[in-house]
This record gives sequence, structure tokens and C-alpha cells, in this order.
Amino acid sequence: EAGVAQSPRYKIIEKRQSVAFWCNPISGHATLYWYQQILGQGPKLLIQFQNNGVVDDSQLPKDRFSAERLKGVDSTLKIQPAKLEDSAVYLCASSPRIQETQYFGPGTRLLVL
Amino acid sequence: QKEVEQDPGPLSVPEGAIVSLNCTYSNSAFQYFMWYRQYSRKGPELLMYTYSSGNKEDGRFTAQVDKSSKYISLFIRDSQPSDSATYLCAIFKISNFGNEKLTFGTGTRLTIIP
Repeated sequence: EAGVAQSPRYKIIEKRQSVAFWCNPISGHATLYWYQQILGQGPKLLIQFQNNGVVDDSQLPKDRFSAERLKGVDSTLKIQPAKLEDSAVYLCASSPRIQETQYFGPGTRLLVL
Repeated sequence: QKEVEQDPGPLSVPEGAIVSLNCTYSNSAFQYFMWYRQYSRKGPELLMYTYSSGNKEDGRFTAQVDKSSKYISLFIRDSQPSDSATYLCAIFKISNFGNEKLTFGTGTRLTIIP
């Protein structure tokens, strides 16, 4: 079974630029999550989708971050404009349903200069 | 106060030693307790989970939960260099509203010295 795929793996941008990350979850998984992991910290949930609907986006900085999951499969996370403090690893995870085990992708490592 | 507290380490032990990793939590509504392992430049992978007080064993790994003290532990016996990774405790609360959230500790970076 293929795992969660993410791209790009690395991205370096300058502050105030925009960036987008892509996630392809495990086939058949209804729930998709985006996490932000700052160096030396645990992952923090940004947004959770159930199929193509948002379940929880309470910790998403909505003035600069946006995410969508069209057709309930792939998802994109966008930052516009980026700030220095957005430097982190952005992890995508999926689970068959809410309350079930989450499987993580390898993450996208973002550096904002 | 953070909902989940974990000593970030780093922790270095010789091969074959018993490793003890710990977390404390503040919210008694937390119901599921998990340990994730994260290798460098990889995503976290679920190692073990439990939902009740007591011990759960899986090979060289034992997860222990003490709900009265709000304290969870992971023990690794006969530690191997391949166990070198960051270990994250994670706690899951189930609600009736569909917005259950997994709350992670900061992670403990473990190195097993051959």
C-alpha cells in the first residue's frame, strides 16, 4: 500500500513570497490533516478535512494560510505572504476515518529567508 | 501550561540499555495515548497506543499509562542503534462534534550509542 505522498520535499523562499504544498493521501482515506512542525517542537494541527469538508481549522492563520481538498482526495496548503516564522516542516497525514490511526507523509521542509 | 509536556532531551544511552521516555498531560478528558517515532527527515510513525491505565507490551516496547497522575511512559528494552530517533507522545481526545484533535509533546531526541 502506497503511503502519503507530499511535494515538494524542500522549498526555500523569501519573506512575502507565496508557496504551495501538495498532498496525496493513502487511497480510500476520508480524513486528511495538515500539521506544522517547527524545529524542536511536536506537530501542531493546522487543518483537518473529512472528505472535502473542513472539520477543524481553528489553528490555521487564515490571514495568510489557506487549504483546500477538492474532490475529497488530494489537498493543497498555501501560504501567502510567507513570514520568517513560517519556517517549519509541513506534514500531511491521512486516516481511514476520524478517530482512526493517522499515517504521516515525509513532510515539506520550508525555509523562509 | 501546555496540555502535553515532554522533556526534549537529548538523551544518549549505550546499546542494550533500558530507555525510559515520559510525558505528563493536564487535561483529564484525554482518552487515547500514543507514542510516535520520527526518524530524521521523515514523518512520524505510530509505535504504540493505549486507552487505559496500565501497561501494554509490544516486543521490546512497553507503554505505560497512569491516569491518576496524568503520566505516560514508553520503555525500550535492549535498545538498538536503529532505535535512535525522536519519540513523540501524543494524546487524543474524542468529542461528539467530530473535531477530535491529536495533541503532541515536543518530542525526545534519543541516540543509542553502539
